[in-house]
Parts: sequence; structure tokens; C-alpha cells
Amino acid sequence: EVQLVESGGGLMNPGGSLRLSCAASGLSFSSVWISWVRQVPGKGLEWVGRIKSTHAGATIDYAAPVKGRFTISRDDSQHTSYLQMNSLKIEDTAVYYCTTGVFNSGLDNWGQGTLVTVSS
Amino acid sequence: QSVLTQPPSASGTPGQRVTISCSGSSSNIGSNSGNWYQQVPGTAPKLLIYKNNQRLSGVPDRFSGSKSGTSASLAISGLQSEDEGDYYCATWDDSLNAGVFGGGTKLTVL
Repeated sequence: EVQLVESGGGLMNPGGSLRLSCAASGLSFSSVWISWVRQVPGKGLEWVGRIKSTHAGATIDYAAPVKGRFTISRDDSQHTSYLQMNSLKIEDTAVYYCTTGVFNSGLDNWGQGTLVTVSS
Repeated sequence: QSVLTQPPSASGTPGQRVTISCSGSSSNIGSNSGNWYQQVPGTAPKLLIYKNNQRLSGVPDRFSGSKSGTSASLAISGLQSEDEGDYYCATWDDSLNAGVFGGGTKLTVL
């Protein structure tokens, strides 16, 4: 059974930094693409960015609102993906989900999400 | 303002068929596959339909997807109370080089 477990969420001040982790099990981690998706409580889904599989070159793409502030990475030896979030803004407040799959073909596994709250 | 446009709400009575639309453009749905997600309140979204019309394993055949031009649709037949929730369409946008979601449709079973 595939499991994705996010961790690292919490309360941060604007301008601060936070690193989220996504620990995966039950799959061949090095061959999966990872996308991070966020959801403001009570609102819709927003794609944050993705990192392709190592086999596909581990290329990374970001959504415009986070480009230059967020960094996605992966450690295949630890079966873990990371979302480093810098220069946090109040509008980054959301539940952050880790997912697997090629976006165009569907994100087939989702973690339970971790809440990030940015507030002064 | 979402790149993909969905109606904010839909409803039906048990046993009815409902359809949820998703309107995009040539740079997203027009040139890529449409995917559909279901989210029950308080839980993570889950993939229902991928590559326009493929049901994920375990998804009842009451759910079906289609695509025509720059629009995609999700149809749910034999509506059941457990189908209540939020439904999102999604695809890749070649112009933005980004994943895009619709704004979501809240389905109510009356």
C-alpha cells in the first residue's frame, strides 16, 4: 500500500522559512514524479510545483506565485521529497499535500496534508 | 480566478444523473488530458478519472469522463448520498508550464 506522510507544518511569521517533508513508502520512489498541491481552508486546490523522477532528470517546475521563494527537492535514498518555503507570505497559508504521478495523467496518491499558517 | 472554469455547485436526487463541466482553452484541456478529483470534506482529494475517461481502479463505473475540444465533463449516474463532496478538474497548461485546477464544484445529493 502506498503511503505519503507530510510533516513540518506549523505557525510562522511573514518573511519566515519552513521546510515540509513528504515521506513515501510502498512504491518505487525514484521512478515517481512528485507534485505539491496546496489548499487554503475552505477554498480550492492550487498546484505548487513538481519534481520529475530521477529517471526523467529530476526537472523542477513551479507555479508563478511561489517561484523564486519555494524549492522542491528529493532524496531518493530516503524516499522523501522536500518543500523548502522561504519569504513566506500570509497568502501561503494552506494545507500542503504531497502527491505522486505525472500531473497530466492524474495525481494518483495523496498524503493527508500538513497545515501551514503564516500570521503575525 | 481559475484557469479552468467549473460551475460552483451541482445537485441531484438519489438515482439521478448529474454532469459537471470544465471549460478551458487550447493551451490546457485542448492539448492535454483532463483529470477529475473527488474531495470529501475533511479528507485529501482522490483521483477518480484520468486521461479524460479512464477510471482509477476501484472507482465505480457510475463515474465517467469525457473531453471535447477545450472542455471536459464528469458524469455521475445513479447518484448516491456518498457522492456528496467537491469535484475538481485538472490538467497541464502548456502556456503557463504549470498544473491547473478548476475552482471546484460542490455536489449536493438532495
